[in-house]
Amino acid sequence: DIQMTQSPSSLSASVGDRVTITCRASQSISSYLNWYQQKPGKAPKVLIYTASRLQSGVSPRFIGSGSGTDFTLTIIGLQPEDFATYYCQQSYITPWTFGQGTTVEI
Amino acid sequence: QVQLQESGPGLVKPSQTLSLTCTVSGGSTISDNYYWSWVRQPPGKGLEWIGYIYYTGSTYYNPSLRSRIIISLDTSKTQFSLNLSSVTAADTAVYYCTKGTTTIPFDLWGHGTLVTVSS
Repeated sequence: DIQMTQSPSSLSASVGDRVTITCRASQSISSYLNWYQQKPGKAPKVLIYTASRLQSGVSPRFIGSGSGTDFTLTIIGLQPEDFATYYCQQSYITPWTFGQGTTVEI
Repeated sequence: QVQLQESGPGLVKPSQTLSLTCTVSGGSTISDNYYWSWVRQPPGKGLEWIGYIYYTGSTYYNPSLRSRIIISLDTSKTQFSLNLSSVTAADTAVYYCTKGTTTIPFDLWGHGTLVTVSS
């Protein structure tokens, strides 16, 4: 299985901040990397797919980048509704696997 | 718009079989060209993909759970189901059904249903 490792596990930030979350795959996954946002008590929703493509309806303040084994999710100008947990997920090969999550706290 | 809704018992006894159903509604059918998956999340923990069934009926199960899983399709009812046998407390989780493609395996999620394994 491909292991996905996110860092940090949690971070504190303020409204308006620029936040960066890192995801590393245990082997190359090309650009088959997706990012999800989950708020407490809610199902996750996809933000970014294939490393850098913005899902329809998602704010452009979410930016994904990377390829191979190293990926980042950047949130520019953090908004109150962005405080949540973020997961990366590889779709390069089954079993599809998730990172352990990064919680963005106020 | 397409919606997914999980249903099933919220409490299952140890060693028994957990059975959940996902109903697809709102414009997409279970026969459309998608992967229909189950994902679970233990309380306070991360996400684990359980397995999928493709619209053709072919399945892939996470090796970590493979010996205990059956995912099936009911096209007449636009539903797909999960059976997880020999459950233990470690199977207590919120179970989500999802729809997706190979590029975005989980592009739509149900609301999730909490299943507790306890005697």
